Amino acid sequence: KAGVTQTPRYLIKTRGQQVTLSCSPISGHRSVSWYQQTPGQGLQFLFEYFSETQRNKGNFPGRFSGRQFSNSRSEMNVSTLELGDSALYLCASSLKGDSEGNSPLHFGNGTRLTVT
Amino acid sequence: AQSVTQPDIHITVSEGASLELRCNYSYGATPYLFWYVQSPGQGLQLLLKYFSGDTLVQGIKGFEAEFKRSQSSFNLRKPSVHWSDAAEYFCAVGVGDYKLSFGAGTTVTVRA
Repeated sequence: KAGVTQTPRYLIKTRGQQVTLSCSPISGHRSVSWYQQTPGQGLQFLFEYFSETQRNKGNFPGRFSGRQFSNSRSEMNVSTLELGDSALYLCASSLKGDSEGNSPLHFGNGTRLTVT
Repeated sequence: AQSVTQPDIHITVSEGASLELRCNYSYGATPYLFWYVQSPGQGLQLLLKYFSGDTLVQGIKGFEAEFKRSQSSFNLRKPSVHWSDAAEYFCAVGVGDYKLSFGAGTTVTVRA
């Protein structure tokens, strides 16, 4: 079974631009979560989607948004990029996304975003 | 809100020696507990999880972890470390709100 696929692997953008990252979950998984990883803040939760509905959102500004499609694939968008948005963005999928032990998260390899 | 503390930022261990990584959590009830490992340039891989039952859980790659409610801890152990175990290890907590809270991570270096 194929794992979580994130595209692209690397991105370089300029301040003020916007960016869209894509995530394809493991087949059969209906929950997709997004996390931001930086050296200073570590792993921070962005949002979680299940059946095209956002069920939880982390403490990020409105410039960060996401969506999920009917095939469970997900995208996240960051508008008006800032230098501090440079990070590794990780997508994770799970069967139910309830963060319980019987539905753990499976992570992709991430998209490395650099903002200059 | 729940929080996770990994007191050790970096640990160096000799190949073949034992390894223990510490994790403490702060939460009113018993959360769901996880250990993940991240190799350079990779995503996170689940090593093991605890959500109920036996407090000693076995995971992949020869790792185990013990949940101690009285100490709010979930420490990860491996009896004999291999060079391929060099990576960053993250403890995480879930409380049923569709997200995980992660510790800051512990980087493990394995010396020959």
